[in-house]
Amino acid sequence: DAGITQSPRHKVTETGTPVTLRCHQTENHRYMYWYRQDPGHGLRLIHYSYGVKDTDKGEVSDGYSVSRSKTEDFLLTLESATSSQTSVYFCAISGLAGVSDEQYFGPGTRLTVT
Amino acid sequence: KQEVTQIPAALSVPEGENLVLNCSFTDSAIYNLQWFRQDPGKGLTSLLLIQSSQREQTSGRLNASLDKSSGRSTLYIAASQPGDSATYLCAVYTNAGKSTFGDGTTLTVKP
Repeated sequence: DAGITQSPRHKVTETGTPVTLRCHQTENHRYMYWYRQDPGHGLRLIHYSYGVKDTDKGEVSDGYSVSRSKTEDFLLTLESATSSQTSVYFCAISGLAGVSDEQYFGPGTRLTVT
Repeated sequence: KQEVTQIPAALSVPEGENLVLNCSFTDSAIYNLQWFRQDPGKGLTSLLLIQSSQREQTSGRLNASLDKSSGRSTLYIAASQPGDSATYLCAVYTNAGKSTFGDGTTLTVKP
């Protein structure tokens, strides 16, 4: 398995609070991604990064921000959590060969917003 | 906008049967296509990646094919086993860093 960890693995938070999810990789891969997975919607891309401090929006970026200050860490922040952001969040990495390379996924973070 | 469809949504087969899972996409301008396996409550495990210039890839009992012109990919599983029971997802990568996933096919292999 690719060296990808996500923290926390589970979180329950209240509406309106800020939340930060962390993705850490030990593979030195250039590209990192944040997805959310919801029943009936499948996996949807939130944001991705193509290098340190280089990020771009995905399909469902509203309400989310990201930061990447080091190659190995990609943070996803929910500025003010809403119930619609209850989901399972996956981080992925790809690589050395660029966007055409395989994506490897982390174990996921289950977030519940009450 | 790229759309990815996987049919059937669910499939149940007896152990030992060979089977085919389907993935279709609407925009043929893709970089590559990747097949994943997801077990309940777990992350996605990469099975096969097919580059846009390739026609097929094989790994063990798995064979994936790609026909860009018709917007289709198939995942062939030979001699299915109960341990193959999982949800199988395909993903298509079209623009730099962008991807579109299908909703998956949930496979049950009965002993």
